[in-house]
Order: sequence, then structure tokens, then C-alpha cells
Amino acid sequence: KQEVTQIPAALSVPEGENLVLNCSFTDSAIYNLQWFRQDPGKGLTSLLLIQSSQREQTSGRLNASLDKSSGRSTLYIAASQPGDSATYLCARGGVSDMRFGAGTRLTVKP
Amino acid sequence: DGGITQSPKYLFRKEGQNVTLSCEQNLNHDAMYWYRQDPGQGLRLIYYSQIVNDFQKGDIAEGYSVSREKKESFPLTVTSAQKNPTAFYLCASSNWKEGELFFGEGSRLTVL
Repeated sequence: KQEVTQIPAALSVPEGENLVLNCSFTDSAIYNLQWFRQDPGKGLTSLLLIQSSQREQTSGRLNASLDKSSGRSTLYIAASQPGDSATYLCARGGVSDMRFGAGTRLTVKP
Repeated sequence: DGGITQSPKYLFRKEGQNVTLSCEQNLNHDAMYWYRQDPGQGLRLIYYSQIVNDFQKGDIAEGYSVSREKKESFPLTVTSAQKNPTAFYLCASSNWKEGELFFGEGSRLTVL
């Protein structure tokens, strides 16, 4: 049973576009929601952490929101660049029970 | 620079052999984790440890073993009992209070 779902699995956009990545989860009693970036063959880099008492976090061109009632989180990337090309993963849960989605593979074309 | 170091980056193993993957962190984090990543799938938790000399099984612990003798170190042994060990292995750590996960660069294990 997949507890964290990310749609779409892959996304290709032209440079400069604003885009939204989606993450949905089945358990509304989450603690944290964390977004990561993964480049091919590399580990995960933490982008944003939304703790359960928060609704959103921002870092540069990235903004992540969390709606526990609907079981959804979105990652908004403004003015996308080719360097943003990577796989983006979301994870929900407590420290000992983080559940990961399979990721969205993003390609930003020059 | 603070971070998590995994070694080796690439490892080849013959069937029937045990191998140990190293994970060291200098972030002063209490909690450490081992995940496995297979193509097209999310990460799956193998083992985690919240304090020294204590660790808990994750979702896919069979065929793996760990130890936590020092706060900084959390090695993973992939035993011959693991039926499909070829995968990308990721070590992570976190501050127990804040909960943000930080990852190493990963170790890719291939069974020949």
C-alpha cells in the first residue's frame, strides 16, 4: 500500500516557467512534511521542512505548502532553470516513520 | 564542513558474501537511519537508531544487520541472507527534536 503519492511521475517544462509538484498522503496525522531534491546517482538534498504546526515554508524560488485536512503538499518552483532538473521527493511522517513518495522527475529545457 | 559520509560509493559483491557499508556523521545528531532505494520506488527504511547502543528494525530489515557503538557511526551489514541486495543504499541522520533528515551521498551495491 503506497502511503505517499507524487504526481506526475515525470514533468518537462521550458525554462522560465513556474511549476507545481504535488504530493498526497493517506495519513492525516503527520508530524513533518519534507521536500528533497535528488540528482542522478546522488543522495537526497533537503529543500524544505514543514513541521506539523506550520502551513508553508519558503526558500528562494521554492515554496512548499501543507494542507493536512486534504492530505496534500505542493512544491512551487518559480522561474524554473535548467539547473533545477532533478528528481523531487516528498516525505511525510515522524522522525522514526518517514514515508517517501517515488518522486517526480523534472526536466527544465533551455 | 558538517555532513554525512558514506563509503564505499560503489561496491561489488559475489553471492554468499557479507558486506559492510560505512556511515559517519559529524552533525551531532542523535538519530541515524538506513534506507534502500530501488528504481522507480520510494525509499524504504531498513533500520534506525535513536541513541547509542539501541536500534530498531524498519520495514525491510530481513537480511541486514546494524550496530551503533558510537554516536557518529552507524554501519550496515548486508548479509548473504538478503535475497536481492543489489540497490542504492542511503544513510541519513536527524536531530531528534527538529526532525529534519539529512542524507549522505549513497552507496551502490551490485551483486555479481
